Amino acid sequence: GENVEQHPSTLSVQEGDSAVIKCTYSDSASNYFPWYKQELGKGPQLIIDIRSNVGEKKDQRIAVTLNKTAKHFSLHITETQPEDSAVYFCAASTPHSGGGADGLTFGKGTHLIIQP
Amino acid sequence: DAGITQSPRHKVTETGTPVTLRCHQTENHRYMYWYRQDPGHGLRLIHYSYGVKDTDKGEVSDGYSVSRSKTEDFLLTLESATSSQTSVYFCAISESGQGFAVLYNEQFFGPGTRLTVL
Repeated sequence: GENVEQHPSTLSVQEGDSAVIKCTYSDSASNYFPWYKQELGKGPQLIIDIRSNVGEKKDQRIAVTLNKTAKHFSLHITETQPEDSAVYFCAASTPHSGGGADGLTFGKGTHLIIQP
Repeated sequence: DAGITQSPRHKVTETGTPVTLRCHQTENHRYMYWYRQDPGHGLRLIHYSYGVKDTDKGEVSDGYSVSRSKTEDFLLTLESATSSQTSVYFCAISESGQGFAVLYNEQFFGPGTRLTVL
């Protein structure tokens, strides 16, 4: 099955600086790569995603890049703000042979700390 | 926010007792999932459903069963709870879509149920 590795486990950056979180996946059939933000006591919230037919996607201060050859994808947050402090999870999804898709395989998460 | 509710939100139970967690959605999405979240493990898939009465196992399905008799409800049952099943359980929903001939699987999560097995 799919295996997703995520690094680093903790990332501390100064407010206003950029943050980068990296993930690798093992199954070349995976075709969908979402990123989730989880705040304490809440469920994961989808913040951005990328599909295998696209190399980069941007939404305001957040961007995601995908390198299918190397099987890795990254989350980039620019101009970080205190409200960006949270745990971030990457995930990968593989198409189901009968249509639709199986569940997501998650990385273990990155605790992002924004220092004032 | 996607219309997903989970009940109960917190539960404390004893080893050996049966427990049922409920996920209810108002989005009429076809796919529903149960995950557990534990420190150091991220989120792991327990079971999922791709339609009424259609379910399949995930990565960590041992000790769990599920049922889906209506589109809007997906139940997770621990037949005989063990301390290793102490965790936070999340339900997710998805309406698998298709764009540029690539299937994708946006999933939206509920608020979670914190289960403690003593």
